Amino acid sequence: EAAVTQSPRSKVAVTGGKVTLSCHQTNNHDYMYWYRQDTGHGLRLIHYSYVADSTEKGDIPDGYKASRPSQENFSLILELASLSQTAVYFCASRGTGDAEQFFGPGTRLTVL
Amino acid sequence: GDQVEQSPSALSLHEGTGSALRCNFTTTMRAVQWFQQNSRGSLINLFYLASGTKENGRLKSTFNSKESYSTLHIRDAQLEDSGTYFCAAAYTGYQNFYFGKGTSLTVIP
Repeated sequence: EAAVTQSPRSKVAVTGGKVTLSCHQTNNHDYMYWYRQDTGHGLRLIHYSYVADSTEKGDIPDGYKASRPSQENFSLILELASLSQTAVYFCASRGTGDAEQFFGPGTRLTVL
Repeated sequence: GDQVEQSPSALSLHEGTGSALRCNFTTTMRAVQWFQQNSRGSLINLFYLASGTKENGRLKSTFNSKESYSTLHIRDAQLEDSGTYFCAAAYTGYQNFYFGKGTSLTVIP
């Protein structure tokens, strides 16, 4: 089964600070995704990537950047963290074609 | 608007009983994936369907692309089935998935 890990698992950040969330997958998947989940809601797509050194905007990209330096690694960057970015962030990976997503354990981010 | 509508939003079941969760889609989807989010917040893969029906133990899922819906049936519910169930679906020709808002399931002893 796909192995997707995330670090850190939780983080407290200050408003205006920079936050980097990291994701690593070991299954040779081309697609990687960053989602956020707010209490009582489903997941919403922030950024995704289908190849190293390239990222694409998802449905809610404002305030976030992404970086895909290698096939295995995908980072989410909050340059100026804001209170509204308090959420749980999930990373996922998926193979090409007709394939399911596999999720990491999530990172709980609290911005104070 | 929401491309994926899940119902019900919340559901209580007594142990040993069953029910169905449903996702309706506002457009043609090529695939659907069902997840359980457990009490620790982890997303557990249940099913991935491009068509038809799949079954795994006490769970069964059906995807009807033409009629734009998918269902997840739970039978003989157990306490460990409690959690939030999400469906996610992808458009034809599109690589990304849209999530429903989930069904919160509570299994009562």
